[in-house]
This record gives sequence, C-alpha cells and structure tokens, in this order.
Amino acid sequence: EADIYQTPRYLVIGTGKKITLECSQTMGHDKMYWYQQDPGMELHLIHYSYGVNSTEKGDLSSESTVSRIRTEHFPLTLESARPSHTSQYLCASSESTGLYNSPLHFGNGTRLTVT
Amino acid sequence: AQSVTQPDIHITVSEGASLELRCNYSYGATPYLFWYVQSPGQGLQLLLKYFSGDTLVQGIKGFEAEFKRSQSSFNLRKPSVHWSDAAEYFCAVGGSSNTGKLIFGQGTTLQVKP
Repeated sequence: EADIYQTPRYLVIGTGKKITLECSQTMGHDKMYWYQQDPGMELHLIHYSYGVNSTEKGDLSSESTVSRIRTEHFPLTLESARPSHTSQYLCASSESTGLYNSPLHFGNGTRLTVT
Repeated sequence: AQSVTQPDIHITVSEGASLELRCNYSYGATPYLFWYVQSPGQGLQLLLKYFSGDTLVQGIKGFEAEFKRSQSSFNLRKPSVHWSDAAEYFCAVGGSSNTGKLIFGQGTTLQVKP
C-alpha cells in the first residue's frame, strides 16, 4: 500500500500552461525528493528537501521549482510547460535518522505529456 | 565519476528458471547499494539493500543479491522466477551520508515466458 501519493497520475497539457504536480506522504519523513524518469533511462534527481523550508536542486538541471511548506507536502511546479518537459516524475521520501542511506519510498508517479 | 551500469537492458526467462540481473557500480567512497523493482504504471519498490556486513543479502519476494567489492558488482538473483516478477529492475548506489541521493542504473526489463 502506498504511503506516498502523487496526483495526477496522468496529465496531458498544452505548451505554455502552468502545472503543479502534487506529492504527499503520511509517514512523517523529513526528506523528500523528485526524480525524473524517461523511458528506458535511469532516474535523475531534480529536487530534494531535508525538511520544511529547505529545498535544493538535484543533479539534473530542471526548469521546475518546488516548495516545502509542510512536512507532508512537496509539490513541483512548471511555470510554462514545454514538450521537452514530457516525462515521468516520481516523488519519494525517506527517514532522516541514522547514518546510513535510508531506503526511498516512492509514489506511483505522474506521467506528464506536453503537446 | 559515480555511476551505475546495468549491462542488460532486456532479459527474457522462462517461468521457473533462475535469474541473475547484473549491476556494476563506480563509486569513490563506501557504497550503499539497493535494488528496486518497478511494475508497469507503478512507483519503485525496494527489494533489498546492502550497507555492510554479510555480502549476501536477502530481500523480499525471494530475491537475493551478492556484493563483490573486488568486481564492483551487486548482482540480483532469484532461483525460480514467477510470472509476476515481470517488471523493470533498477540498481542504485548511495554514499555513507544519509542524504538519500541515489544514483540509478538504466534499469533491466524482465520478461517472463510461460
């Protein structure tokens, strides 16, 4: 069962529109992440957050922005969608305790198509 | 540079046959290794992880993986594949600090023949 929820699952939108992909988790995790996944390719980290009011850009440059106003909520926004933004976006969270990399818990993803 | 390589993009095995998915990594520090599985239309689910200790780790769904430092490998195995194992499998590596920032391989798509 999923403790991390992403909406919408699928989104088809025209070029130039502003969109927000929602991600919420009920596990109380401090750390949250957005990964971008193209078909047949590895996942790339585009944003992460270690807690409320903390956001950082990931390894892959992205025109999207994120916010973290509440622990459980980590939305991703594209101000002006372009066809190059077409991809699958996966949200994840992890515990912050301990020295080791805690496993990531993933949502089911949002598949975005920009026409 | 840090990287993960999964040499096999696509593998087909018969139901009941054994399975081995390969993963090689390049990482400057002590690696922390993971295998995730992704079913169609779903997010990624953790199969198993290696942090330290015994180099053979057991995971869910009957999977195991063996860490071989000398070969920089972390291959995933299952003795008898079930049709429900058809999915995409991702190997990932992270560092010793709990950043949660993982480097993923390209994935291996497993097809299971009846």
